[in-house]
Amino acid sequence: DQQVKQNSPSLSVQEGRISILNCDYTNSMFDYFLWYKKYPAEGPTFLISISSIKDKNEDGRFTVFLNKSAKHLSLHIVPSQPGDSAVYFCAARKTSGSRLTFGEGTQLTVNP
Amino acid sequence: ETGVTQTPRHLVMGMTNKKSLKCEQHLGHNAMYWYKQSAKKPLELMFVYNFKEQTENNSVPSRFSPECPNSSHLFLHLHTLQPEDSALYLCASSPGQGAGTEAFFGQGTRLTVV
Repeated sequence: DQQVKQNSPSLSVQEGRISILNCDYTNSMFDYFLWYKKYPAEGPTFLISISSIKDKNEDGRFTVFLNKSAKHLSLHIVPSQPGDSAVYFCAARKTSGSRLTFGEGTQLTVNP
Repeated sequence: ETGVTQTPRHLVMGMTNKKSLKCEQHLGHNAMYWYKQSAKKPLELMFVYNFKEQTENNSVPSRFSPECPNSSHLFLHLHTLQPEDSALYLCASSPGQGAGTEAFFGQGTRLTVV
């Protein structure tokens, strides 16, 4: 039973345009959500997070939106840059615990 | 330098071998984790340690044996593995439980079982 799903295995966008990566979850106990970025041959690195008490969190070019009623979150990258090309993982956690449940990842390719 | 260091980066082992993966974190964190990443699958949590004590074993086969001698070091002992165990094994650490405690990952060990 996969509780965090990223239905798009890949996404390709043009440099300078917006990248939108989507994530859905099923467990209503999740109340903290994170995005990680992973380059080949490296471990995932933390990018941005959002608590369930918010519906938006912004950090520079990255914004995460949370729709609790739809159990959906999205990561917006604008403007997209070639260096953003990586696999992006969505993850979720319950406040009471430390374990992260990850999605399958979305490979983002930003074309120059 | 991510603060979480894993060795070796690559490992090829036979099904009858015994090997160990090592993880060390320099961040002063209290929680450490082993994750497995297989091709086209989500990261799978294997084990969680908090303050050196194992708090979670996610139904991992006994051919994987973790060891956490202190809050800074975590090992994964491997024996009689199967080819399907070939994967990227990631170690992570976090300050502890609760919101805001993002996990920091090492670069992983790429394991190939032949």
